[in-house]
This record gives sequence, C-alpha cells and structure tokens, in this order.
Amino acid sequence: SQQGEEDPQALSIQEGENATMNCSYKTSINNLQWYRQNSGRGLVHLILIRSNEREKHSGRLRVTLDTSKKSSSLLITASRAADTASYFCATDAPDRGSTLGRLYFGRGTQLTVWP
Amino acid sequence: GAVVSQHPSWVICKSGTSVKIECRSLDFQATTMFWYRQFPKQSLMLMATSNEGSKATYEQGVEKDKFLINHASLTLSTLTVTSAHPEDSSFYICSARDRASGGRIDTQYFGPGTRLTVL
Repeated sequence: SQQGEEDPQALSIQEGENATMNCSYKTSINNLQWYRQNSGRGLVHLILIRSNEREKHSGRLRVTLDTSKKSSSLLITASRAADTASYFCATDAPDRGSTLGRLYFGRGTQLTVWP
Repeated sequence: GAVVSQHPSWVICKSGTSVKIECRSLDFQATTMFWYRQFPKQSLMLMATSNEGSKATYEQGVEKDKFLINHASLTLSTLTVTSAHPEDSSFYICSARDRASGGRIDTQYFGPGTRLTVL
C-alpha cells in the first residue's frame, strides 16, 4: 500500500498566489521527497527533507516536515502558470527493508495555475 | 544532469502478446533501478527493484512471472509484460540510482515513462 496521502487532490489558483499542498504518511521515515510530474511525463525531483529537519527552502519552494504528526507540506510562492502539474510526496520506508532508493508515493495533488 | 531514457515511449498491443520496455541510464551507471506503474490520475506504485547481476525484488502483490525484469548491465534494465491484458494498460516509469551516489538518497533519476495500451 502507498505511504503518503496528499491533500487537496486538486488545487486551482491564480498566478501570483501561493499554493500549499499537504502530505501525510503512515510509518517511520528517514526522509521525504517532493516530486513534480507534468501530464503524461516522468518525474522531476524538487526537494528532499530529512527526518531530523523541520523546514527547507529551495527557490520559491518551502517544505516543512512534522514527524510527530507524520505530515509534510509543500508551499509554492508566487505561483506561475508553468507550475501547473501534479505534485507527489514520496517517502522511503526503512521498516520495509534496507534497499536505498525504494520510494513510496502519495496520490498527488493536481495544481492548476491560471494566468 | 543525469538522464534516464525509456523505450518505447508508447506502445499499443493486442491482448496476449508480450511487451518489452527498456530503461537506460545514459550518462551514469546504475546498479539499482526501480519500476513503477501509474494509472490515470493516480499515484506511482512501486512494482519492483531491479538489481544489476541479480534477481529483481518484487513488491507484495506484483506477479514476478507476469512482469519479468532483467538488469543485464549497469545501464540497462528491461521490464517485460508477458501475456498482456487490457488491465495491464498503464503508464510504466523507471528510475535509476547513480552508482556513484553512495549513501546519498536523492540521486535517483526518473525516466519519461512508457504508455502501454493493451487492446
């Protein structure tokens, strides 16, 4: 079964607004990653946050992690039409084995940014 | 940056035929590759971990005889969907870990995906 669950499932905003997506997961993790996927395409890695980190920034992206609540959020500031895509969180699952790189994805949030 | 390619990008086949999908790391060596499938508007489901020179490790519920994985070299893994049926229609995505990454978790690169349609 999948680890992460994102909400909302769909988010529609205007250019310039901020977009916030949330992710919850079930088991312990070493790290959590956010990916972006344009329709019918592969995934692009956005940012990784480790379990001992609480917040991380990369350009217009801000990610938070609350391990006590098993949740993470991705904030995209000053959104652009080009940010339109699906966003997924992915976690490792150290309880499921030690192979590095095994990722378990949430359902994703479809973000639409209107110009 | 590191590039992972998949071939074909899309394939349409008749029910009962087998389809092979290739995943290649173009400018790095990958001892480990991963195969995912994704249904429309849904998440990526990890199917199996492909290890160079050894047998693949399948996730629970994935039929290893249905989805044959071969990782014959450090730059190529193949997924063969045997006796494909319409319910196997999906988007198949591979990813590869850079052999040189050591313990770094984030050096995993995704292919562009292969759209399989079984009629």
